[in-house]
Amino acid sequence: QKEVEQDPGPLSVPEGAIVSLNCTYSNSAFQYFMWYRQYSRKGPELLMYTYSSGNKEDGRFTAQVDKSSKYISLFIRDSQPSDSATYLCACGSNFGNEKLTFGTGTRLTIIP
Amino acid sequence: DAGVIQSPRHEVTEMGQEVTLRCKPISGHNSLFWYRQTMMRGLELLIYFNNNVPIDDSGMPEDRFSAKMPNASFSTLKIQPSEPRDSAVYFCASSLRGKGLVTFGSGTRLTVV
Repeated sequence: QKEVEQDPGPLSVPEGAIVSLNCTYSNSAFQYFMWYRQYSRKGPELLMYTYSSGNKEDGRFTAQVDKSSKYISLFIRDSQPSDSATYLCACGSNFGNEKLTFGTGTRLTIIP
Repeated sequence: DAGVIQSPRHEVTEMGQEVTLRCKPISGHNSLFWYRQTMMRGLELLIYFNNNVPIDDSGMPEDRFSAKMPNASFSTLKIQPSEPRDSAVYFCASSLRGKGLVTFGSGTRLTVV
């Protein structure tokens, strides 16, 4: 079993819809959590990070962490065609050690 | 800031040849990572350095792979001899230790035929 599980999709939604992306993890040592966005033939770029249970909001994006169930989510409101990309969740054990474990990524397409 | 710079962007080589991938991290960053991405296995950490010292190379698949960081502004990942199953996109990333924010380069797409 992988330490971080992520549904690979693909996921297609109409423009303007709310998108929900999810990951589960098994390692209790993970303390901080990130979402990366990767456009085709580009490197992953950091979208959001959080190191506690609860919600963190940034514009149209909300990251949610539930450490009790080892479940992390990313919500995208008012989705745009420019949001079409692969989204990867990542988990780390502490900020002094930036070794990240990634999910396999979910490919998202926003249909105009 | 130019970001993490990787070269070459694309590499096509024949099986058995030596391949060297290069990386220049963001100035001031003291952690450097090499990742490999494939459709089947996703993004896997191969090795990471702190202050130019290799800390964890447990992800390096076998002895054919080696990585060096001779100074704070340069790192190489070498595959010798290369095999078709090494075909993947190789990413270099860097961060400022303790800040937890890892920045990736654009990757090197390696094809071994």
